[in-house]
Amino acid sequence: GAVVSQHPSRVICKSGTSVKIECRSLDFQATTMFWYRQFPKQSLMLMATSNEGSKATYEQGVEKDKFLINHASLTLSTLTVASAHPEDSSFYICSARDRGGNSPLHFGNGTRLTVT
Amino acid sequence: AQKVTQAQTEISVVEKEDVTLDCVYETRDTTYYLFWYKQPPSGELVFLIRRNSFDEQNEISGRYSWNFQKSTSSFNFTITASQVVDSAVYFCALSRNQAGTALIFGKGTTLSVSS
Repeated sequence: GAVVSQHPSRVICKSGTSVKIECRSLDFQATTMFWYRQFPKQSLMLMATSNEGSKATYEQGVEKDKFLINHASLTLSTLTVASAHPEDSSFYICSARDRGGNSPLHFGNGTRLTVT
Repeated sequence: AQKVTQAQTEISVVEKEDVTLDCVYETRDTTYYLFWYKQPPSGELVFLIRRNSFDEQNEISGRYSWNFQKSTSSFNFTITASQVVDSAVYFCALSRNQAGTALIFGKGTTLSVSS
């Protein structure tokens, strides 16, 4: 079945560094990918919608200069947390939908970011 | 606006008990999709079911069953004869019937099954 690969699964970095998270659709083409953030014991909150070949659409309250999204191909979207701070520590999950439109969303396994 | 409410924050049961997780949604769309996902402690989201708003038939899959009531905007999930491995956070989600739309998640229900 369709698989979304997210890398890395876990990252620990020092405050001030930038972290890049990759989301790949392995056996389908994804014109749209979504990035979610989940704080401990909370729900998944949509951060942004990533569209191949165009700028991402960010949800209200999400800083686009802080969370840089690039969707350069139909199988890869990246989220870069710029100058990460401890409050950015969270679980980040990407999801992708096959370009077939109403097909189910497929989720990556998530990236646990810890900023010290 | 779309909204998903899971009123039960935490539920604790003993193995072999049946448990129902409630989900109430709000949407102005006439067509939409509803989902349930399981999130074990490891963090990944496990897809359980997707239901089109046109299809109000209840569904059973092994020990899992879903009750979709459009009249009350509810999509409840029942686990029969619960097992310890069912312990996880369960999320109900809603999406528009439109290409390129994201899922809106409820806050989740943490289910703890003890032996």
